[in-house]
Amino acid sequence: GAVVSQHPSWVICKSGTSVKIECRSLDFQATTMFWYRQFPKQSLMLMATSNEGSKATYEQGVEKDKFLINHASLTLSTLTVTSAHPEDSSFYICSASRPDGNQETQYFGPGTRLLVL
Amino acid sequence: AQTVTQSQPEMSVQEAETVTLSCTYDTSENNYYLFWYKQPPSRQMILVIRQEAYKQQNATENRFSVNFQKAAKSFSLKISDSQLGDTAMYFCAQSGSARQLTFGSGTQLTVLP
Repeated sequence: GAVVSQHPSWVICKSGTSVKIECRSLDFQATTMFWYRQFPKQSLMLMATSNEGSKATYEQGVEKDKFLINHASLTLSTLTVTSAHPEDSSFYICSASRPDGNQETQYFGPGTRLLVL
Repeated sequence: AQTVTQSQPEMSVQEAETVTLSCTYDTSENNYYLFWYKQPPSRQMILVIRQEAYKQQNATENRFSVNFQKAAKSFSLKISDSQLGDTAMYFCAQSGSARQLTFGSGTQLTVLP
Protein backbone atom coordinates (compact mmCIF):
# COMPACT_ATOMS: atom_id res chain seq x y z
CA GLY A 1 0.00 0.00 0.00
CA ALA A 2 0.86 3.72 0.08
CA VAL A 3 1.33 4.30 -3.62
CA VAL A 4 1.60 7.83 -4.95
CA SER A 5 1.55 8.61 -8.64
CA GLN A 6 2.64 11.72 -10.45
CA HIS A 7 1.83 12.83 -13.96
CA PRO A 8 3.49 13.68 -16.23
CA SER A 9 6.85 12.13 -15.47
CA TRP A 10 8.62 14.31 -18.01
CA VAL A 11 7.57 17.54 -19.70
CA ILE A 12 9.23 20.01 -22.04
CA CYS A 13 7.57 23.34 -22.63
CA LYS A 14 8.27 26.71 -24.15
CA SER A 15 9.04 29.72 -22.02
CA GLY A 16 5.89 31.59 -21.05
CA THR A 17 3.56 28.61 -21.04
CA SER A 18 1.96 26.97 -18.02
CA VAL A 19 2.47 23.39 -16.92
CA LYS A 20 0.23 21.36 -14.61
CA ILE A 21 1.55 18.45 -12.57
CA GLU A 22 -0.81 16.02 -10.88
CA CYS A 23 -0.14 14.07 -7.70
CA ARG A 24 -2.46 11.25 -6.69
CA SER A 25 -2.55 8.92 -3.72
CA LEU A 26 -3.81 5.70 -5.24
CA ASP A 27 -4.67 3.52 -2.27
CA PHE A 28 -5.17 5.90 0.63
CA GLN A 29 -6.68 9.27 1.38
CA ALA A 30 -4.29 12.10 2.09
CA THR A 31 -5.50 15.22 3.83
CA THR A 32 -2.06 16.69 3.40
CA MET A 33 0.24 16.61 0.41
CA PHE A 34 3.58 18.29 -0.05
CA TRP A 35 5.41 19.67 -3.05
CA TYR A 36 9.19 19.65 -3.29
CA ARG A 37 11.77 20.82 -5.75
CA GLN A 38 15.10 19.08 -6.18
CA PHE A 39 18.17 20.29 -8.04
CA PRO A 40 20.79 17.76 -9.22
CA LYS A 41 22.80 16.19 -6.42
CA GLN A 42 20.96 18.23 -3.81
CA SER A 43 18.41 17.51 -1.16
CA LEU A 44 14.67 18.11 -1.44
CA MET A 45 13.45 21.64 -0.89
CA LEU A 46 9.93 22.00 0.42
CA MET A 47 7.90 24.41 -1.67
CA ALA A 48 4.46 24.19 -0.12
CA THR A 49 2.09 22.19 2.02
CA SER A 50 -1.23 21.38 0.41
CA ASN A 51 -4.27 20.73 2.58
CA GLU A 52 -7.47 19.34 1.16
CA GLY A 53 -10.15 21.99 0.90
CA SER A 54 -7.99 24.91 1.98
CA LYS A 55 -5.29 27.16 0.67
CA ALA A 56 -1.77 25.87 0.42
CA THR A 57 0.92 27.08 2.77
CA TYR A 58 4.00 28.23 0.90
CA GLU A 59 7.56 28.24 2.17
CA GLN A 60 9.45 31.48 2.35
CA GLY A 61 10.75 32.54 -1.04
CA VAL A 62 8.27 30.49 -3.06
CA GLU A 63 5.98 32.63 -5.20
CA LYS A 64 2.42 31.50 -4.67
CA ASP A 65 1.21 33.23 -7.84
CA LYS A 66 3.77 31.37 -9.89
CA PHE A 67 3.34 27.95 -8.32
CA LEU A 68 -0.41 27.43 -8.01
CA ILE A 69 -1.47 24.53 -5.85
CA ASN A 70 -4.92 23.01 -5.73
CA HIS A 71 -5.95 20.14 -3.44
CA ALA A 72 -9.46 19.46 -4.63
CA SER A 73 -9.92 16.00 -3.15
CA LEU A 74 -8.39 13.65 -0.63
CA THR A 75 -6.48 11.87 -3.37
CA LEU A 76 -5.45 14.63 -5.76
CA SER A 77 -3.25 17.69 -5.56
CA THR A 78 -2.05 19.70 -8.55
CA LEU A 79 0.87 22.05 -9.02
CA THR A 80 0.69 24.53 -11.88
CA VAL A 81 3.84 26.34 -12.90
CA THR A 82 2.54 29.50 -14.51
CA SER A 83 4.45 31.43 -17.17
CA ALA A 84 7.33 29.02 -16.90
CA HIS A 85 10.87 30.24 -17.53
CA PRO A 86 14.13 28.32 -17.98
CA GLU A 87 15.05 28.88 -14.33
CA ASP A 88 11.96 26.87 -13.37
CA SER A 89 13.51 23.80 -14.98
CA SER A 90 13.90 21.27 -12.20
CA PHE A 91 12.72 18.00 -10.73
CA TYR A 92 9.43 18.37 -8.87
CA ILE A 93 8.35 15.74 -6.36
CA CYS A 94 5.11 15.41 -4.45
CA SER A 95 4.39 13.42 -1.35
CA ALA A 96 1.21 12.36 0.41
CA SER A 97 0.93 11.98 4.15
CA ARG A 98 -0.65 8.83 5.53
CA PRO A 99 -1.35 8.07 9.19
CA ASP A 100 0.67 5.07 10.38
CA GLY A 101 -0.26 4.32 13.96
CA ASN A 102 0.75 7.28 16.08
CA GLN A 103 2.62 9.02 13.31
CA GLU A 104 2.23 10.19 9.78
CA THR A 105 4.56 9.05 7.06
CA GLN A 106 5.13 10.78 3.77
CA TYR A 107 5.07 8.62 0.67
CA PHE A 108 6.54 10.09 -2.47
CA GLY A 109 5.56 10.19 -6.09
CA PRO A 110 8.10 9.31 -8.78
CA GLY A 111 8.73 12.96 -9.65
CA THR A 112 8.30 15.16 -12.70
CA ARG A 113 11.21 16.43 -14.76
CA LEU A 114 10.41 19.87 -16.15
CA LEU A 115 12.50 21.45 -18.87
CA VAL A 116 11.59 24.95 -19.98
CA LEU A 117 13.10 26.04 -23.27
CA ALA B 1 13.92 25.29 13.98
CA GLN B 2 14.81 21.77 13.00
CA THR B 3 18.08 20.83 11.38
CA VAL B 4 19.35 17.51 10.07
CA THR B 5 23.01 16.95 9.32
CA GLN B 6 24.59 14.20 7.27
CA SER B 7 28.35 14.62 7.37
CA GLN B 8 29.25 11.93 4.83
CA PRO B 9 28.58 13.13 1.27
CA GLU B 10 29.78 9.85 -0.24
CA MET B 11 30.44 6.35 0.99
CA SER B 12 31.20 3.01 -0.60
CA VAL B 13 30.97 -0.55 0.61
CA GLN B 14 31.80 -3.94 -0.80
CA GLU B 15 28.92 -6.19 -1.66
CA ALA B 16 27.82 -8.35 1.30
CA GLU B 17 29.59 -6.08 3.79
CA THR B 18 28.02 -3.81 6.40
CA VAL B 19 27.96 -0.02 6.25
CA THR B 20 26.73 2.67 8.63
CA LEU B 21 25.47 6.07 7.53
CA SER B 22 25.53 8.87 10.07
CA CYS B 23 22.88 11.45 10.85
CA THR B 24 22.49 14.00 13.60
CA TYR B 25 19.58 16.31 14.17
CA ASP B 26 18.45 19.14 16.35
CA THR B 27 14.94 19.94 17.52
CA SER B 28 13.21 21.61 20.43
CA GLU B 29 10.20 19.32 20.23
CA ASN B 30 9.62 16.36 22.50
CA ASN B 31 7.51 14.34 20.08
CA TYR B 32 9.07 13.81 16.70
CA TYR B 33 9.80 11.13 14.17
CA LEU B 34 12.88 10.17 12.24
CA PHE B 35 13.13 8.60 8.83
CA TRP B 36 15.61 7.27 6.34
CA TYR B 37 14.67 7.50 2.69
CA LYS B 38 16.66 6.23 -0.28
CA GLN B 39 16.69 7.74 -3.73
CA PRO B 40 18.11 5.41 -6.40
CA PRO B 41 19.08 6.66 -9.86
CA SER B 42 15.41 6.56 -10.87
CA ARG B 43 14.98 9.42 -8.34
CA GLN B 44 11.97 7.76 -6.72
CA MET B 45 12.07 8.45 -2.99
CA ILE B 46 11.59 5.22 -1.06
CA LEU B 47 10.98 4.91 2.66
CA VAL B 48 13.63 2.68 4.23
CA ILE B 49 12.88 2.85 7.93
CA ARG B 50 11.26 5.08 10.53
CA GLN B 51 11.63 5.63 14.25
CA GLU B 52 9.36 7.24 16.78
CA ALA B 53 11.36 9.34 19.20
CA TYR B 54 9.49 8.14 22.27
CA LYS B 55 10.37 4.53 21.52
CA GLN B 56 13.68 3.43 22.95
CA GLN B 57 13.89 0.29 20.90
CA ASN B 58 15.78 0.72 17.66
CA ALA B 59 13.74 0.12 14.52
CA THR B 60 14.67 -2.77 12.22
CA GLU B 61 13.51 -3.63 8.71
CA ASN B 62 15.17 -6.75 7.36
CA ARG B 63 18.77 -5.76 6.51
CA PHE B 64 18.26 -2.18 7.66
CA SER B 65 18.48 -1.08 11.27
CA VAL B 66 19.02 2.17 13.11
CA ASN B 67 21.03 3.20 16.11
CA PHE B 68 18.90 5.87 17.76
CA GLN B 69 20.69 7.82 20.48
CA LYS B 70 18.15 10.35 21.70
CA ALA B 71 20.37 12.19 24.15
CA ALA B 72 23.06 12.62 21.52
CA LYS B 73 20.44 13.39 18.83
CA SER B 74 21.97 10.79 16.59
CA PHE B 75 20.15 8.50 14.16
CA SER B 76 22.48 6.30 12.14
CA LEU B 77 21.45 3.70 9.56
CA LYS B 78 23.14 0.33 9.34
CA ILE B 79 22.85 -1.71 6.18
CA SER B 80 23.88 -5.33 6.55
CA ASP B 81 24.76 -7.71 3.73
CA SER B 82 24.91 -4.82 1.27
CA GLN B 83 23.50 -5.50 -2.18
CA LEU B 84 24.13 -3.77 -5.49
CA GLY B 85 20.55 -2.53 -5.43
CA ASP B 86 21.31 -0.58 -2.28
CA THR B 87 23.30 1.90 -4.36
CA ALA B 88 21.42 5.17 -3.92
CA MET B 89 21.37 8.54 -2.25
CA TYR B 90 20.23 8.16 1.34
CA PHE B 91 18.44 10.99 3.11
CA CYS B 92 17.88 11.28 6.82
CA ALA B 93 14.76 13.25 7.73
CA GLN B 94 12.86 14.44 10.76
CA SER B 95 9.27 15.51 11.28
CA GLY B 96 7.57 17.09 14.24
CA SER B 97 4.28 18.71 15.11
CA ALA B 98 4.16 20.58 11.80
CA ARG B 99 4.32 17.23 9.99
CA GLN B 100 6.78 18.66 7.51
CA LEU B 101 9.94 16.75 6.79
CA THR B 102 13.32 18.35 7.29
CA PHE B 103 15.92 16.56 5.18
CA GLY B 104 19.64 16.21 5.53
CA SER B 105 21.91 16.86 2.58
CA GLY B 106 22.17 13.18 1.72
CA THR B 107 24.84 10.49 1.51
CA GLN B 108 25.59 8.86 -1.82
CA LEU B 109 26.20 5.17 -1.15
CA THR B 110 27.85 3.01 -3.76
CA VAL B 111 27.90 -0.75 -3.35
CA LEU B 112 30.89 -2.24 -5.14
CA PRO B 113 30.78 -5.71 -6.70
